Amino acid sequence: DTGVSQDPRHKITKRGQNVTFRCDPISEHNRLYWYRQTLGQGPEFLTYFQNEAQLEKSRLLSDRFSAERPKGSFSTLEIQRTEQGDSAMYLCASSSHRLAGGVGANVLTFGAGSRLTVL
Amino acid sequence: GNSVTQMEGPVTLSEEAFLTINCTYTATGYPSLFWYVQYPGEGLQLLLKATKADDKGSNKGFEATYRKETTSFHLEKGSVQVSDSAVYFCAPASFQGAQKLVFGQGTRLTINP
Repeated sequence: DTGVSQDPRHKITKRGQNVTFRCDPISEHNRLYWYRQTLGQGPEFLTYFQNEAQLEKSRLLSDRFSAERPKGSFSTLEIQRTEQGDSAMYLCASSSHRLAGGVGANVLTFGAGSRLTVL
Repeated sequence: GNSVTQMEGPVTLSEEAFLTINCTYTATGYPSLFWYVQYPGEGLQLLLKATKADDKGSNKGFEATYRKETTSFHLEKGSVQVSDSAVYFCAPASFQGAQKLVFGQGTRLTINP
């Protein structure tokens, strides 16, 4: 297994254009997360899938953002009509929840991220 | 929701010095606690974790103990190396549902030879 893969690694676009990022999680992982990280800050949660169902979305995820995971494997994050404030690193993570003694140990494995620059 | 407060950086130490990075959190229930590390030019990597009170997570010489009474998870290492230079993130996981991680702002650590 090669870990969590994200594509593209870098994207430069002009304001108003649409961009799409792809994430391929670890194959046996049923949970998939998207985060956004701006320079000098910690990652901020955007959304979460369990299998193909999108179960939680942050208020950070405006109407211009949409995420899908149609077959419960890879996921896409699309940003429509990009703004300069969308410039950030978009991180994908996956996990496989295991219960041990009634306490979860949900360890997230992160990809290298997709860096977006909006001019 | 959960929140976390980390020691502000940047932190600069000499090689072989003792390291402490403080982390306190607020959370509902008893979350699992994590430290992640981000080396220059690389993605986030799990450093260590603890899932219940008094558990001690350890890896690569780093340790952190889950202190329920003080809601803390301080990171320590007895003798740091230049290769430990990175940004360190403390992150409690939400107790239910997505069990998503809530990250602090990170602490940038620089170790000088």
